Amino acid sequence: EDQVTQSPEALRLQEGESSSLNCSYTVSGLRGLFWYRQDPGKGPEFLFTLYSAGEEKEKERLKATLTKKESFLHITAPKPEDSATYLCAVRADSWGKLQFGAGTQVVVTP
Amino acid sequence: DVKVTQSSRYLVKRTGEKVFLECVQDMDHENMFWYRQDPGLGLRLIYFSYDVKMKEKGDIPEGYSVSREKKERFSLILESASTNQTSMYLCASSSPSGHGRSPLHFGNGTRLTVT
Repeated sequence: EDQVTQSPEALRLQEGESSSLNCSYTVSGLRGLFWYRQDPGKGPEFLFTLYSAGEEKEKERLKATLTKKESFLHITAPKPEDSATYLCAVRADSWGKLQFGAGTQVVVTP
Repeated sequence: DVKVTQSSRYLVKRTGEKVFLECVQDMDHENMFWYRQDPGLGLRLIYFSYDVKMKEKGDIPEGYSVSREKKERFSLILESASTNQTSMYLCASSSPSGHGRSPLHFGNGTRLTVT
């Protein structure tokens, strides 16, 4: 059975304090790993798709990397506006549906 | 930008009522999805549809049904609402192009409370 596990569940950072979020997965035939950001009361907002081990994507202070068993979302010098829940998801079939982890709630304090 | 619109942000219903959650997307996407989101459990797939009048069960379809009469509209139906269906419901759409690599685009959710 496909599984996606995110850690830690919650992360509290000082502004400027870099850190990493982990997403480990067990899936047969990975067709893509997706990172989303979700603000309170809103739907998830797409950030990145990674397809193969060794791939990296960047957007502002966020950088996502992928290995054969896990993905990391690195937050460099975070700002309070980076506070959100970050969701990881995998796609293992051609229908397009995603299986999500439970998310990591990030709080960045000034 | 892709826009996925869910008709209600908040709904309060009574146990046993039939509930309709509506979702419309404006990007001509073939695929549409309904998830529910609960604290500690993440997003779980209820149903999805890859074409008009087509539907497939997700991981937790019990107590739900769906309708897709038009390509842009995907409705989730709670046949007889129960308190354990109190949750945030998220609709999403995607294009099947790119060998299944297209992301899902989400609406802002409907928070349903069943009393």
